[in-house]
Amino acid sequence: AQSVTQPDIHITVSEGASLELRCNYSYGATPYLFWYVQSPGQGLQLLLKYFSGDTLVQGIKGFEAEFKRSQSSFNLRKPSVHWSDAAEYFCAVGAPSNNNDMRFGAGTRLTVKP
Amino acid sequence: DTEVTQTPKHLVMGMTNKKSLKCEQHMGHRAMYWYKQKAKKPPELMFVYSYEKLSINESVPSRFSPECPNSSLLNLHLHALQPEDSALYLCASSQVRVSDGYTFGSGTRLTVV
Repeated sequence: AQSVTQPDIHITVSEGASLELRCNYSYGATPYLFWYVQSPGQGLQLLLKYFSGDTLVQGIKGFEAEFKRSQSSFNLRKPSVHWSDAAEYFCAVGAPSNNNDMRFGAGTRLTVKP
Repeated sequence: DTEVTQTPKHLVMGMTNKKSLKCEQHMGHRAMYWYKQKAKKPPELMFVYSYEKLSINESVPSRFSPECPNSSLLNLHLHALQPEDSALYLCASSQVRVSDGYTFGSGTRLTVV
């Protein structure tokens, strides 16, 4: 079965600084990859997704992510962080061979300093 | 309509109560999901319905009973819960193939007393 690891539990960045959140997956072929964001007490919102094609994908709110097969990674980036980006970020992996089974990483909590 | 609506937003229930959580979507999605999320943890999959049929049950205790009356509605019936069942319960929906990702509701915050 597929799995996903987010190595960073908590990251703090200054407002206006760049951001990179790490995500590593385990799956025998090219998986479906997603990044979700969750504000406190809320549901999850899809930021972006990858399942084929261009390895650099653009998402909402100015986020992008790059799929690197050689590193089994799908890191999330943003060039300039805003205070409203403070939230929990989850990487998720789905298996094309097993519909409807998406697994989440443990999450990375982002704090933004003024 | 691009939303998943969950009701109620908050629920407090005793260990002998019976209650239900409701989830509704009108996006034509044919797969619907229940997730449980404890504080500072990722969502954990509980149940998956595909074309109104239960396709995945992640060994959830029988005190949780899902129901999918039609393609737009998903219920989670609760009975004789324990305090450790207190959590945020999230409903999601998707196309049958997961490549488009899931649309999540805002959740029901459940407290068992």
